[in-house]
Amino acid sequence: AQSVTQLGSHVSVSEGALVLLRCNYSSSVPPYLFWYVQYPNQGLQLLLKYTSAATLVKGINGFEAEFKKSETSFHLTKPSAHMSDAAEYFCAVRSRGGGNKLTFGTGTQLKVEL
Amino acid sequence: DTAVSQTPKYLVTQMGNDKSIKCEQNLGHDTMYWYKQDSKKFLKIMFSYNNKELIINETVPNRFSPKSPDKAHLNLHINSLELGDSAVYFCASSHSGDSNYGYTFGSGTRLTVV
Repeated sequence: AQSVTQLGSHVSVSEGALVLLRCNYSSSVPPYLFWYVQYPNQGLQLLLKYTSAATLVKGINGFEAEFKKSETSFHLTKPSAHMSDAAEYFCAVRSRGGGNKLTFGTGTQLKVEL
Repeated sequence: DTAVSQTPKYLVTQMGNDKSIKCEQNLGHDTMYWYKQDSKKFLKIMFSYNNKELIINETVPNRFSPKSPDKAHLNLHINSLELGDSAVYFCASSHSGDSNYGYTFGSGTRLTVV
């Protein structure tokens, strides 16, 4: 079964600092990977997705993620954090077949401080 | 023009009651899902329907019964509500044929059982 692990349930950065949210995947086949963001009291919004077309994926709001097969990782980064980036971030993997289920990691809460 | 809409947004009810949550999508997707997000923000899939056919049924108490009258609607009925059912329930939709397609989520229904 495919799964993702997010390291660090809470990450705190200063405004303007680099954001790095970690995600490692487990999959016996090339995975489809996603990052979602959840702002307080809202639903989940797709930030970006990896579909094997390119290893460096750019998403909305200045976020990007790099797929590294050798490290089985798909970490999310943003060069300069903004107060509005404070939210819960979820890494997810979508299975091939079996209902194409989207399985989420446990989430990382990003806090941005002045 | 909301893509995936859920009603109600908030639901407070007493233990033992029966309640329903409705979901509708106008994206033309053929697959719809219900997810449960617990107090620790963990997201777990409950059900999935493809063209009105149940294709994913995770280990969910049979007090929970999904119903899909057509591919644009997926409702969730819960009998004999328990305290542990308190959570945020998200509806989502997607295309089934392409696993690199992300899900589109509704804004959630916060269920509180007292």
